[in-house]
Amino acid sequence: EAQVTQNPRYLITVTGKKLTVTCSQNMNHEYMSWYRQDPGLGLRQIYYSMNVEVTDKGDVPEGYKVSRKEKRNFPLILESPSPNQTSLYFCASLGGGELFFGEGSRLTVL
Amino acid sequence: AQSVTQLDSQVPVFEEAPVELRCNYSSSVSVYLFWYVQYPNQGLQLLLKYLSGSTLVKGINGFEAEFNKSQTSFHLRKPSVHISDTAEYFCAVSRDDKIIFGKGTRLHILP
Repeated sequence: EAQVTQNPRYLITVTGKKLTVTCSQNMNHEYMSWYRQDPGLGLRQIYYSMNVEVTDKGDVPEGYKVSRKEKRNFPLILESPSPNQTSLYFCASLGGGELFFGEGSRLTVL
Repeated sequence: AQSVTQLDSQVPVFEEAPVELRCNYSSSVSVYLFWYVQYPNQGLQLLLKYLSGSTLVKGINGFEAEFNKSQTSFHLRKPSVHISDTAEYFCAVSRDDKIIFGKGTRLHILP
């Protein structure tokens, strides 16, 4: 089954404690992207990757890092999380003109 | 630069009534257009997309949308809604691998 898998689905952490949200897709898509969803703001793109070792900033990249060492994986790294990064995060991959989304990762930073 | 405006943040509608969710975009070049749906506590899934060809696009669950180039609109319609259509709906515009989402419209179905 074609899918995008994110982990963890839920996480509560404290300010400054580094964390990584993993994302994996099994569709051999070149393009992958991270979004955050906040009430009233819709989805905002954090980072995207056109292919292995090629990443670029989206609209709200501050406080985040990404890497793309393999085609299937695109982890999102928060080196020093802060409360304003409390949000719902979605990973997506693009194929055939369609974005395929993971089920989301709800992150709370205390 | 591209932008997407969803004109209504919330739309209440009675069950079995028709609904239209509005979306306008701004772009100086041709774009691809999408509607995604997010059911409560779930990710987003594609409802329908316009890439080229016929301006009337049919999607899943009885939804359709019409691309109007002169008005730069891509409104989503359903002739008769069901309680299961309760969700948030996002319009999106894509060009050169850049995809921009609107802020979403919450559809509330009233019994």
